[in-house]
Amino acid sequence: AQKITQTQPGMFVQEKEAVTLDCTYDTSDPSYGLFWYKQPSSGEMIFLIYQGSYDQQNATEGRYSLNFQKARKSANLVISASQLGDSAMYFCAMREVTSGYSTLTFGKGTMLLVSP
Amino acid sequence: EPEVTQTPSHQVTQMGQEVILRCVPISNHLYFYWYRQILGQKVEFLVSFYNNEISEKSEIFDDQFSVERPDGSNFTLKIRSTKLEDSAMYFCASSGTGMGNQPQHFGDGTRLSIL
Repeated sequence: AQKITQTQPGMFVQEKEAVTLDCTYDTSDPSYGLFWYKQPSSGEMIFLIYQGSYDQQNATEGRYSLNFQKARKSANLVISASQLGDSAMYFCAMREVTSGYSTLTFGKGTMLLVSP
Repeated sequence: EPEVTQTPSHQVTQMGQEVILRCVPISNHLYFYWYRQILGQKVEFLVSFYNNEISEKSEIFDDQFSVERPDGSNFTLKIRSTKLEDSAMYFCASSGTGMGNQPQHFGDGTRLSIL
């Protein structure tokens, strides 16, 4: 079974609009962390935002926010006021802490294209 | 802002040859990782390293692979006898602690092409 599922292979959004990138996860570990990374066409991996399983509030970082719905096991990334530079691949990832794992498990990613 | 540095950015190697990929993690970080991404696919964990030893490795990380921290700043991934299927982007990452809330900061990657 997939640990991280990103169902949208590609998304299109117009500049200045908001966009939501979906991520669902599967774990039996009560303690885990969810991360979003951005990968532009140049290839580097850029950390965007983190949400812990025990965090009471949804994480926010500038234009990025995480819509965390624990019961649904979803951690969707919301990008507000999209910019052309947001065009990139976006990966959702998870660390399962109490199982002793230090690794990140990634989803397959969503390609976001922002048009003028 | 401190960053993870990887060299070279692109490595082309003949099949069967040894290759060493180099990384300089963020200076006060203690946990180091290697991941790979085959073209068009998701990022896959290879190995994590802490306190001068491997703390976890995936099934991808077989006897052909090894990691080393030869000095206080570098962290290397060696592939002993490269195969065509080793062609991928290899990412080094580091984190300050092994705590689950700590993001892993990635380098820009080394694109490895095996001919």
